[in-house]
Amino acid sequence: QVQLVESGGGLVKPGGSLRLSCAASGFTLSDYYMSWIRQAPGKGLQWVSYISSSGKSTYYADSVMGRFTVSRDIAKNSQYLQMTSLRAEDTGVYYCARVSGEGAIDYWGQGTLVTVSS
Amino acid sequence: EIVLTQSPGTLSLSPGERATLSCRASQSVSSNYLAWHQQKPGQAPRLLIYGASSRATGIPDRFSGSGSGTDFTLTISRLEPEDFAVYFCQQYGNSPLTFGQGTRLEI
Repeated sequence: QVQLVESGGGLVKPGGSLRLSCAASGFTLSDYYMSWIRQAPGKGLQWVSYISSSGKSTYYADSVMGRFTVSRDIAKNSQYLQMTSLRAEDTGVYYCARVSGEGAIDYWGQGTLVTVSS
Repeated sequence: EIVLTQSPGTLSLSPGERATLSCRASQSVSSNYLAWHQQKPGQAPRLLIYGASSRATGIPDRFSGSGSGTDFTLTISRLEPEDFAVYFCQQYGNSPLTFGQGTRLEI
């Protein structure tokens, strides 16, 4: 069955960097768009990024453009989120998600917590 | 971007009762591309409904979605104990993808 397992979260100081990983199983990344979605404490969900099924196209929320980079490794069937110049407002749980052909989020990981604090 | 407003914020019901959750969009959702997800503490969210009214794989038929344009509804016909959770709507017809703030369904 489809599984998405995130890792790499933790505590980082403002201005620091962190790389999140998402290991996928039960399907092939090259067949689907993938996304990162985050949830700040006590707040709603916010879309962060997409990477296309070909890996050639990436899309970002305005709030992370220029600071975050999404990538993937087909051999490892994994996607990554490189986060730099982190700010307090980037704190939250980051979810890896698969995007269905229609565009809905059809599978989610359990999330990994990122805390940006001095 | 499309803002999704869910109501009520919290819904208190008993097992066996019917639950009706609302999701209102600030503008029309293209192609009625509206999904509903369920989230329980410590678990990954789960897709229930997509395309406003289509049940995802493995979702019991007590869950149903309806609506179009700007007004959408998730109905749970007879609540089971495992249905008490947070439900949130998501639109994917317009960029960027956006989410409602959630409705907590409690006993």
